[in-house]
Amino acid sequence: DAGVIQSPRHEVTEMGQEVTLRCKPISGHNSLFWYRQTMMRGLELLIYFNNNVPIDDSGMPEDRFSAKMPNASFSTLKIQPSEPRDSAVYFCASRQQGYQPQHFGDGTRLSIL
Amino acid sequence: AQTVTQSQPEMSVQEAETVTLSCTYDTSENNYYLFWYKQPPSRQMILVIRQEAYKQQNATENRFSVNFQKAAKSFSLKISDSQLGDTAMYFCAFANNNDMRFGAGTRLTVKP
Repeated sequence: DAGVIQSPRHEVTEMGQEVTLRCKPISGHNSLFWYRQTMMRGLELLIYFNNNVPIDDSGMPEDRFSAKMPNASFSTLKIQPSEPRDSAVYFCASRQQGYQPQHFGDGTRLSIL
Repeated sequence: AQTVTQSQPEMSVQEAETVTLSCTYDTSENNYYLFWYKQPPSRQMILVIRQEAYKQQNATENRFSVNFQKAAKSFSLKISDSQLGDTAMYFCAFANNNDMRFGAGTRLTVKP
């Protein structure tokens, strides 16, 4: 079975540009999570969806960040405009709702210059 | 809201020795699961072990075992016969039916 697929694997862009991170969850999983990981703040939950509906976006840093899940097999995390402090590794994870573990993608390393 | 606390930011252990990583959590729920994840330098997040709250028996996976104390809300991970490949960040996680929360992580270094 394919795992959680994230793209791109690495992204380097200039400050002010729009960045879009993509995630394809494992088929059959109905919960999807976006995390940000930095040395300073560790692993932070940004937002999660159950059945394509955003449930908790309290971790989204500010209005520059937005996330969508138009269908059960695709989600995006968008940053517009990007800033150097957004540089981090962004993980997507999915799971079947109901006491199941999360399965993580390999992450996107984002560098904003 | 559920919280997960890992009070040891960093730990080290000699190869072949045993080490225990601590985790406590706070919840008012009775049904939940607990997990330990490992994140090696490759940055992949790998599920190590899981424990169902309704089970009294502690989970074991090869060299990894847990000490689950439900009343104390404690969930520690014991690694026996530590190997160099065990060097990683270890995250404790709590899951209920709707949500999953992670601790801040413990960075473990296995020394030769």
